[in-house]
Amino acid sequence: GAGVSQSPSNKVTEKGKDVELRCDPISGHTALYWYRQSLGQGLEFLIYFQGNSAPDKSGLPSDRFSAERTGGSVSTLTIQRTQQEDSAVYLCASSLLAGLGNEQFFGPGTRLTVL
Amino acid sequence: GNSVTQMEGPVTLSEEAFLTINCTYTATGYPSLFWYVQYPGEGLQLLLKATKADDKGSNKGFEATYRKETTSFHLEKGSVQVSDSAVYFCALRGEGNDMRFGAGTRLTVKP
Repeated sequence: GAGVSQSPSNKVTEKGKDVELRCDPISGHTALYWYRQSLGQGLEFLIYFQGNSAPDKSGLPSDRFSAERTGGSVSTLTIQRTQQEDSAVYLCASSLLAGLGNEQFFGPGTRLTVL
Repeated sequence: GNSVTQMEGPVTLSEEAFLTINCTYTATGYPSLFWYVQYPGEGLQLLLKATKADDKGSNKGFEATYRKETTSFHLEKGSVQVSDSAVYFCALRGEGNDMRFGAGTRLTVKP
């Protein structure tokens, strides 16, 4: 596609429910990143996929968070048993290669609100 | 681990004023440095980058120089416009390909 797309754009859920957030990277991009942007905060790195390599999960805040990337393309971020502190904008980004200078292209984000 | 610290905002300037947003970093090895911008209602987009020491990134009148001796990548613009109002993020990509972002600095330019 023309850019990184994410769905849904907005998600409101009740505490304790599971949610799935989807990211469609730019076609041909091998690297995919998930970030979380809380109100008034910077971007918090969550997880990174590069090709068929094992993902870098070092940023996931708890074991309630998981992500997968099927076929090296679409990625799903799953949050189980959501808590109010999970409320944030979840951003996905992709880059053509994982080299040091390669630009990341960001999606519009999914705004998650946990009531 | 790698980290980025940038000037806290918000910053409010009059049109045509000089802008500096400070950014310093901590990293092992030789990271790449970036400035991203988020205009109101839009997603993040790359503003400029520098991949090695003494490189200067520039775009849309903005500049930043990769200073390894001071571990800094300050963003500057000589004459800001109302259309520059946005949130600016300094970022670092380490040799492990992880990205670290600063907290963001909100700039408001008044006519």
